[in-house]
Amino acid sequence: GEDVEQSLFLSVREGDSSVINCTYTDSSSTYLYWYKQEPGAGLQLLTYIFSNMDMKQDQRLTVLLNKKDKHLSLRIADTQTGDSAIYFCAETGDSWGKLQFGAGTQVVVTP
Amino acid sequence: EPEVTQTPSHQVTQMGQEVILRCVPISNHLYFYWYRQILGQKVEFLVSFYNNEISEKSEIFDDQFSVERPDGSNFTLKIRSTKLEDSAMYFCASSEVGVGDQPQHFGDGTRLSIL
Repeated sequence: GEDVEQSLFLSVREGDSSVINCTYTDSSSTYLYWYKQEPGAGLQLLTYIFSNMDMKQDQRLTVLLNKKDKHLSLRIADTQTGDSAIYFCAETGDSWGKLQFGAGTQVVVTP
Repeated sequence: EPEVTQTPSHQVTQMGQEVILRCVPISNHLYFYWYRQILGQKVEFLVSFYNNEISEKSEIFDDQFSVERPDGSNFTLKIRSTKLEDSAMYFCASSEVGVGDQPQHFGDGTRLSIL
């Protein structure tokens, strides 16, 4: 079955890069997503990648995918205080319409 | 930017009562979803809906749950006889089509508290 794992907490200084890691278990072709949740808000889609790609860059965000190790990472360059949030990794798994989420990584940005 | 809207933001209900959670998906989207997140746990898939019928549902989505698109804009989740363990944040999502490169967009959620 599918399982998505994330580290639970990351502290980073303002201006540094953040790297949030995720591992997944599904072996089929899959889409992998990163969502951001700020306090009291919903899940905001940040970016996504298909499992036949290695990398995707979108402004300050870089997604790296190691398909062999089933490891996904999200790098945030020049981290700002507004980046403080919970970041969720999710995959489509065996069904396009059914997202499987990780537990979320709480990112705290300190001045 | 178009967004998914959910009402109410917080619902408090007595155990055993029926509750309806409402969602307005993005207007040109055809696929609709409900997820829930119990405090401290992962976001879990409940159900997907397309063309006025359920496409897929999880084991959580038992007979006490139902979904409906009563008109051209709303998408509702009904819990018939609520239990304490139904307390959770419920998220609605929608996507243009049901394939992975058309990602799901989420609302801000409804926090359901069962007393």
